[in-house]
Amino acid sequence: NAGVMQNPRHLVRRRGQEARLRCSPMKGHSHVYWYRQLPEEGLKFMVYLQKENIIDESGMPKERFSAEFPKEGPSILRIQQVVRGDSAAYFCASSPVRQGSGGRETQYFGPGTRLLVL
Amino acid sequence: GENVEQHPSTLSVQEGDSAVIKCTYSDSASNYFPWYKQELGKRPQLIIDIRSNVGEKKDQRIAVTLNKTAKHFSLHITETQPEDSAVYFCAASIPGAQKLVFGQGTRLTINP
Repeated sequence: NAGVMQNPRHLVRRRGQEARLRCSPMKGHSHVYWYRQLPEEGLKFMVYLQKENIIDESGMPKERFSAEFPKEGPSILRIQQVVRGDSAAYFCASSPVRQGSGGRETQYFGPGTRLLVL
Repeated sequence: GENVEQHPSTLSVQEGDSAVIKCTYSDSASNYFPWYKQELGKRPQLIIDIRSNVGEKKDQRIAVTLNKTAKHFSLHITETQPEDSAVYFCAASIPGAQKLVFGQGTRLTINP
């Protein structure tokens, strides 16, 4: 059973370009979460998605950031017109059930995408 | 919303000694508390978790305790080994919320 997959692992963009980060959840998991980790800091929640639905985007910046989880294919976190402050590690996690529902809600993390904005 | 504080930010112990990392949370409704270990450049990996209906859970050299009244929980690592060196994160989850709220992390160094 493959774990959570993310690609690319490293991404370099110049200011103003777009960054696309992909996440494939573990097999059987339909709940996807994106977190951002700045250097030497903890993980900050960004968005929670199920297939074709954004459930909670309370941690997403209001501008330039968007996320989707289509019926087919991976979840995508898109950052438009990147700025240097977007440089961070972006982790995706998946769970078999919704976080907070009790039971098998453990989140399993992918290897992350390290975004560097020049 | 939920807030999780973690202490200490750095911890250095001699190999074979015990290490304790503490976290406090603000929302008494939180009922799920996982601990993750993150090695340099790697993904966070779940090492142990506890739910609010139990006070303690143990898995070999790792144990977690929960005090719901005081709203704090702790990670205990006994007989530490060099491979325990990493950054450890605690987290909390509220029923109905769709996310984990993480502490700031503790950098644990095991000295040989």
